[in-house]
Amino acid sequence: SQTIHQWPATLVQPVGSPLSLECTVEGTSNPNLYWYRQAAGRGLQLLFYSVGIGQISSEVPQNLSASRPQDRQFILSSKKLLLSDSGFYLCAWSVRPGETQYFGPGTRLLVL
Amino acid sequence: GDSVTQMEGPVTLSEEAFLTINCTYTATGYPSLFWYVQYPGEGLQLLLKATKADDKGSNKGFEATYRKETTSFHLEKGSVQVSDSAVYFCALRTGNQFYFGTGTSLTVIP
Repeated sequence: SQTIHQWPATLVQPVGSPLSLECTVEGTSNPNLYWYRQAAGRGLQLLFYSVGIGQISSEVPQNLSASRPQDRQFILSSKKLLLSDSGFYLCAWSVRPGETQYFGPGTRLLVL
Repeated sequence: GDSVTQMEGPVTLSEEAFLTINCTYTATGYPSLFWYVQYPGEGLQLLLKATKADDKGSNKGFEATYRKETTSFHLEKGSVQVSDSAVYFCALRTGNQFYFGTGTSLTVIP
C-alpha cells in the first residue's frame, strides 16, 4: 500500500531563516505531488504541484519554492521566512492529475 | 470561478446528536465532490466522495448526497461520537483542480 511521509512534524523558526520541508511517497511510481498551506482559521491553499521530476507549477506567488529531485520526493523551501509563512503545511499525492488526493500528516510551522 | 462554501463553525454537539454540515458549490461542468476530515494534529483524510449527480458517498456512518439541483453536498451523521471531533473540509474537483472549503470544526462532548 501507499504511504506518504512528511517531516519534521513541528518546526519553530526565526524570521529571515531558511526553510526546508520534505515529503516522500512510498508504494507508487510517478505520483502527482502537491504542497498546500492551511493558515490559522482559513482553508487550504494550493501552493505547488508537480506531475514529474523537475516539473513544478506554482499556484500562488510568494517567497516559497518547491523542488522534486526524485520521483517520490517533494521539497518545500524558502530562503528567508516571513511571519506570514506560519501555518500548517500539507503534502499530498494522487495517481493522476485531478484524481483523489491523499494527504500526509502535515508540518506545523511557527515563524517568530 | 469554481468554489466551495461551507457553513462556518465551530459546531459543538452532544454525543449521539444528529450532525449536518452544509456545503454548497459553484462550478462549471460536472465536478466530483469530496469530504475530507482532519483529526487533531493530523493531516487530511478522505472521508467520502461522489462523482456524479444523485450519488451518495458514505463512510464511518457519515453520508453526503450530490444534489445538482441545489448544488449541495451536505455531510450528515445520525449519531455523533466524541471521536468524531475534527475539522471537516468539503472539496470539489473540476478537471485537474481541487478547491477546498475553509473547514468546519466539530467538537462532540460526552
